[in-house]
Parts: sequence; structure tokens; C-alpha cells
Amino acid sequence: EVQLVESGGGLIQRGGSLRLSCAASGLTISRNFMTWVRQSPGKGLEWVSVIFSDSSIYYADSVKGRFTVSRDTSKNILYLQVNSLRAEDTAVYYCARWSGAAIFDFWGQGTLVTVSP
Amino acid sequence: DIQMTQSPSSLSASVGDRVIITCQASEDLSDNLNWYQQKPGKAPELLIYDASSLKTGVPSRFSGSGAGTNFTFSISSLQPDDIAIYYCQHYGTFGGGTKVEIK
Repeated sequence: EVQLVESGGGLIQRGGSLRLSCAASGLTISRNFMTWVRQSPGKGLEWVSVIFSDSSIYYADSVKGRFTVSRDTSKNILYLQVNSLRAEDTAVYYCARWSGAAIFDFWGQGTLVTVSP
Repeated sequence: DIQMTQSPSSLSASVGDRVIITCQASEDLSDNLNWYQQKPGKAPELLIYDASSLKTGVPSRFSGSGAGTNFTFSISSLQPDDIAIYYCQHYGTFGGGTKVEIK
């Protein structure tokens, strides 16, 4: 059974940084495409980033240069380093597996990042 | 950038009604269009992928159709458990969502 568990969210001041984690079980993150999606309170879903199995990485324009995706293959954990946080980065951050033509077939429960002004 | 126009933004229907949600893309997506259900306070869940394929374990009252720029998501007989927001998605773009409520 695939399970994704995010952690690392919290209340952070504007301009601050956090490292979000996504611990995976039931799948090997290095052999899969893994993606981050976020959702601001009361808003829709926004794609953030993807890391492919060949380690190529892509970011949404809204986070490019501020967010960094990485993975620890020995621990089977996906990370999202979020820097220079802005009020508009306040959101629940979800990790998910990206299958086929960007089919997000397994999701974690999310971790909330709140950026205080 | 591809734009996805999802409609309606909300709807209210009775138990047993057929519900239809549409997603229109600004360019040809072939059949690369997925549908998700998000219940309050929960993560989204994949229901339909590649426009019309039902994810294993998803009830058959859910269906999807379409190709190119016009796609449809249907619930054949609305159930109380279907109260949620539904999103279409193509790669890095999501539709704005449709909130489905019981009348």
C-alpha cells in the first residue's frame, strides 16, 4: 500500500524558510516521479514542482528561485525547501506521485505552512 | 500557458440526480485530462485519468469523457458521500473547481 506522509509545516515569518518532508512507503521515490501541489486556504489547487526519476526538476514560475526539491533515497524521503516565504505561500502543501501523463494517483495528507506578515 | 475553464463553479442537486461538470481547455490536450475529488479537510483523490479511465476502486457512478479541448465529468446518481469539490487537471494546470452540494 502506498503511503505518503508530509511534515515540517508551521508558522513562519515572512522571509523565513522551512523544509517540508514527504516520507514514502510502498513506493521507491527514486524510481518514481514525485510532485508537490499546494492549496491556499479556501482556494484551488496549484502545482508547485516535480522531480523526475532521472533527477530533472521543474518548478512553477511562482516559486522558481525560492523553492528547491530534493530527495534522500536512503530514507525514501522527498523534500521541499521553501525560502524567502511570502504571505501568498501560505497553503497546505501536498506531495503526490506523478504517473504517466501527469496523473497524480497517490497523495499525502498535506502539511500547512502559514506565513505571518 | 494552458487555461482550464471548469464549470459550473458550484452546483446543488438532489440525491439520485445526474451531475455534469465540464472542463474546457485553451488548447488541444488529447486525452490527457484527469479528475479529482476533494472532500472537506482532506487531500484530493484521483477518480478519472486519461479523460475516461476510472481509477480502480472508484464507484462506477463516476465517469469522464471528452478529448481535445472539451471534457465532461459525470456522477450518474448523486450520493450524500459525493459532497466535495471536483477538479480537472492537465499537467501543471488545474481547473478552478466545482463545489457539489446536496439540495
